[in-house]
Amino acid sequence: ELKVEQNPLFLSMQEKKNYTIYCNYSTTSDRLYWYRQDPGKSLESLFVLLSNGAVKQEGRLMASLDTKARLSTLHITAAVHDLSATYFCAVDPLSNTGNQFYFGTGTSLTVIP
Amino acid sequence: DGGITQSPKYLFRKEGQNVTLSCEQNLNHDAMYWYRQDPGQGLRLIYYSQIVNDFQKGDIAEGYSVSREKKESFPLTVTSAQKNPTAFYLCASSIGAGGGDEQFFGPGTRLTVL
Repeated sequence: ELKVEQNPLFLSMQEKKNYTIYCNYSTTSDRLYWYRQDPGKSLESLFVLLSNGAVKQEGRLMASLDTKARLSTLHITAAVHDLSATYFCAVDPLSNTGNQFYFGTGTSLTVIP
Repeated sequence: DGGITQSPKYLFRKEGQNVTLSCEQNLNHDAMYWYRQDPGQGLRLIYYSQIVNDFQKGDIAEGYSVSREKKESFPLTVTSAQKNPTAFYLCASSIGAGGGDEQFFGPGTRLTVL
């Protein structure tokens, strides 16, 4: 059974601090996606990582992919309140016949002033 | 503006009823998907379609049905056979289905069984 595990599940952090969210997956893949979801809203695409060693940065968020370790990280630098949301990683396995994504359970981030 | 629309935003169903959720996209994407999200959980795939007139079951297809008669439309019917349908339903699309294609999501439909 394919597993996509995120940790932590809940993260409460102070403004201006740094932290990392981890996404581990159990299948062979070099295609990983990060999404943001605000309460009651849909998913917003953040990053698309399509190769080993890929690193993408947007503002205070930086995502990376290590396909050998089957690990992706989402690093938050100098957190601000606007980053409070739930973050999901999603994996597209190489064994796919289509483009099905498998999602992690999400990390609920709260940034405290 | 290109995008994905879902309707209705909120839907209430009585037990034993079938209901249909609408999903339309004007992005000219070939592939479309339906996901279910339960509180505090990630998304699980119900059905997906790579081309018109073709679709495949995802991990939790039981109690659901779909059709893909037009490229831009992928409606989901929640049947009375689905025992626990209360959830947030998200439709997505991608330009292709060959792998590596980013999925874009609609605003969602929140279904509640009364």
